[in-house]
Formats: sequence, structure tokens, C-alpha cells
Amino acid sequence: AQSVAQPEDQVNVAEGNPLTVKCTYSVSGNPYLFWYVQYPNRGLQFLLKYITGDNLVKGSYGFEAEFNKSQTSFHLKKPSALVSDSALYFCAVREGTNAGKSTFGDGTTLTVKP
Amino acid sequence: IAGITQAPTSQILAAGRRMTLRCTQDMRHNAMYWYRQDLGLGLRLIHYSNTAGTTGKGEVPDGYSVSRANTDDFPLTLASAVPSQTSVYFCASSDSGLGLDTGELFFGEGSRLTVL
Repeated sequence: AQSVAQPEDQVNVAEGNPLTVKCTYSVSGNPYLFWYVQYPNRGLQFLLKYITGDNLVKGSYGFEAEFNKSQTSFHLKKPSALVSDSALYFCAVREGTNAGKSTFGDGTTLTVKP
Repeated sequence: IAGITQAPTSQILAAGRRMTLRCTQDMRHNAMYWYRQDLGLGLRLIHYSNTAGTTGKGEVPDGYSVSRANTDDFPLTLASAVPSQTSVYFCASSDSGLGLDTGELFFGEGSRLTVL
């Protein structure tokens, strides 16, 4: 069975500071990893994904994430946070050949203060 | 703008009533999904469909049914609603290549359902 853990319910950072939202995963095969963002009363929007290749992936709005196989982690990062980055962030994992289903973490609320 | 359309956006329903949440996509994606989002529980998969004519059960399928008569539409039906089905429901799709789905999910804006 696959699973995802987002150990922090809430992350608070000051505008202009770097941010990290943590994610660890567990799968039996090759992981396909995703980050999504959800603004209030909206659907989830795709940010970035790791399928294969370079461990550092870059996505929308200046976000990036690093795949670490030994630590089974896929932390989301941004060098300089904006107030507009405040939202709910979800990490998701899917096994490589499992066409059906993603498993989502419980989400991390990011608050960026001016 | 291409994407996923869900209807209704919000609905209050008496327990025991039948309800169908509609989902239509215009991206010609093979795969479609229904999730429910509950506070503290993240998103949980209810049902999915890898291609038109096929469906499968997700993590929490009880009390729900789906059909996939064509590529674009994937309705979710609650045959007899119960208060525990109060939730926000999201329809999603992905560009699946039959058995190898590397694509991200595209989500609708959600349907907020309250069962009294």
C-alpha cells in the first residue's frame, strides 16, 4: 500500500524568507510524486511532479521540490515566500504503473506574513 | 477555457434523498476520478475510471456509484444520502496512457454537499 505523510499541519514564514513544506512517502514500487496547491473555496491546482530523472524539479510560481530516495522525501521549497503563496498544500504519491490512484497527504496550511 | 465543470457548486439535501453530482471535462482525458475532502482527512478517492466504459472502487466507495458512458462525463450518485456524506466533492481527470499514468490531476472547483 502507498502512503504519504505531511508532518506539519501548519507552516508560518515571513515574506521574503525561504519556505519548506515537508512530505515523506511510502510505496512498494517506483514513486511518482506530486505537489498541489489549494486556495480557499477552489479546486486543487498542480504545482510540480517527479517521475524520473533529475532529483530537483521546478514547477509553477517559483516552487521547486527535491526527491530524496534514501530519505523517501519530496519536500516543497521556495527561496523567497510571497504573501500570495498562503494556501493549503498537498503532497501526493502514485506507484509508477498504477494508472488508477493517487494517495494524498492530509495537507499543510502555509501562511506567509508581511 | 478547457477544464472540468462540476455541478451543483453547493447543495443542501435531506437524508434519504438521491443526489447526482455532475462532472464534465473537455480535455479528452482518459481517466477520471471522484474525491471527497474532509477536514483533517485530506482527499480520499471514492471511485475512478481509467477509460470510458470502465470504473473502479477507491478508498471510500460505500454509498456511492458512478458511471462512465462516454469520455467527457463522470457523474457521482448518492443513492440514499446520509449525514456522514456531508463533504466537499472534487472531480478530477488525468491524461492516462492505458496502464501508465504519469500525468498530473486536473481538478474541478468542487461541489459542497450538506446532508441533514
